[in-house]
Amino acid sequence: DAKTTQPPSMDCAEGRAANLPCNHSTISGNEYVYWYRQIHSQGPQYIIHGLKNNETNEMASLIITEDRKSSTLILPHATLRDTAVYYCIVRAMNRDDKIIFGKGTRLHILP
Amino acid sequence: SAVISQKPSRDICQRGTSLTIQCQVDSQVTMMFWYRQQPGQSLTLIATANQGSEATYESGFVIDKFPISRPNLTFSTLTVSNMSPEDSSIYLCSVGGQTRVKTEAFFGQGTRLTVV
Repeated sequence: DAKTTQPPSMDCAEGRAANLPCNHSTISGNEYVYWYRQIHSQGPQYIIHGLKNNETNEMASLIITEDRKSSTLILPHATLRDTAVYYCIVRAMNRDDKIIFGKGTRLHILP
Repeated sequence: SAVISQKPSRDICQRGTSLTIQCQVDSQVTMMFWYRQQPGQSLTLIATANQGSEATYESGFVIDKFPISRPNLTFSTLTVSNMSPEDSSIYLCSVGGQTRVKTEAFFGQGTRLTVV
């Protein structure tokens, strides 16, 4: 079973920051938080991952709470192309580990 | 990053027949993963394919229905056998990252299967 809980859907106005929450209260000490997104008719795409520190890359920022039981993915300036299903996943940092997907959050960017 | 090619990209098949989906990676990988995505749903892991050994299937999936081959480190096939309309889904293959630092998974574009 997936180890994460996400809201099923969210709306965000174009140009605004999209903040996608994720609860992972049973996360283990060696597990990382990964975010992927799936744009319609495409395979999932990696966005970002982190252990306990906040992370930022060219796509997004990841904020992880101090107790690591929840996190927030931030898309700083959402565009229509960010409309997708976003998946929050916890897994150990081993490239051969399988990924178990939850239901994800369907993000709608509104023009 | 890893580039994954899946064939076919889509197909329409008659019930009772079988379809073999191919997954080719541009680099050698230890594990390959096969997923199913039913309409409007999330991805469900079918099995993990390790070169040189039998695939490991997740609960609810069996080898007779979804036989998998893994002849080398860059290629795998998934067969959907004796198809029924309930098998209509997108099937995706995935591989793990190729360096110790880059551990994110990569996914093919999927095979959209419709069974009529």
